[in-house]
Amino acid sequence: QVQLQEWGPGLVKPSQTLSLNCIVSGDFFSRGGYYWNWIRQRPGKGLEWIGYTYYSGRTAYNPALQSRATISVDAPKNRFSLKLTSVTAADSAVYFCARGEGDWGLDYWGQGTLVTVSS
Amino acid sequence: DIQMTQSPSSLSASVGGRVTITCRASQDVSNFLGWFQLKPGKAPKSLIYAASTLHSGVPSRFSGSGSGTDFTLTIDSLEPDDFATYFCQQYKSFPFTFGPGTEVDL
Repeated sequence: QVQLQEWGPGLVKPSQTLSLNCIVSGDFFSRGGYYWNWIRQRPGKGLEWIGYTYYSGRTAYNPALQSRATISVDAPKNRFSLKLTSVTAADSAVYFCARGEGDWGLDYWGQGTLVTVSS
Repeated sequence: DIQMTQSPSSLSASVGGRVTITCRASQDVSNFLGWFQLKPGKAPKSLIYAASTLHSGVPSRFSGSGSGTDFTLTIDSLEPDDFATYFCQQYKSFPFTFGPGTEVDL
């Protein structure tokens, strides 16, 4: 069974870059057909899909965040990452990574990591 | 963007009871619809994909139905572990979008 675990700084200053990583257990990461997602839940709000990457590096983003978000693959370390630039308090959220597969949608999620944007 | 709505936003139920949650999409998403269970501090659990197919390991008391724009999640014989918040999500087109959630409590 695949496991995902997010990690990164819990506190980021306004205007700086939020950087998170998601490590994927097992040998699933390099298998084709999966897409690796970042999703967030802001306080008191629903879930927001940020974007995904395939192992090949092919990506897709939510237009609302596309200008600030970059999702990339670190193949040797079996992980993928999220960078979100020019953050504001509105970017404070629990950030989740999750695996998706074709017609099956999202199947496995990480536990989530809380990021607070504050000076 | 495809807007997803859910009703109700919250509901109270009892152990052993039955719960039905409705999800509506602003455009046809065919059957590219998933349901998820969220609890604070825990990894979200994927329940259903393709509108009506249970993910591996999900108890059969969960069921999903619908296609196009209208979908339903039903939980029969509620167990204490089922009290949580439930979200639907369309993955027919970008950006993937989620419903606002339905909180199920005692």
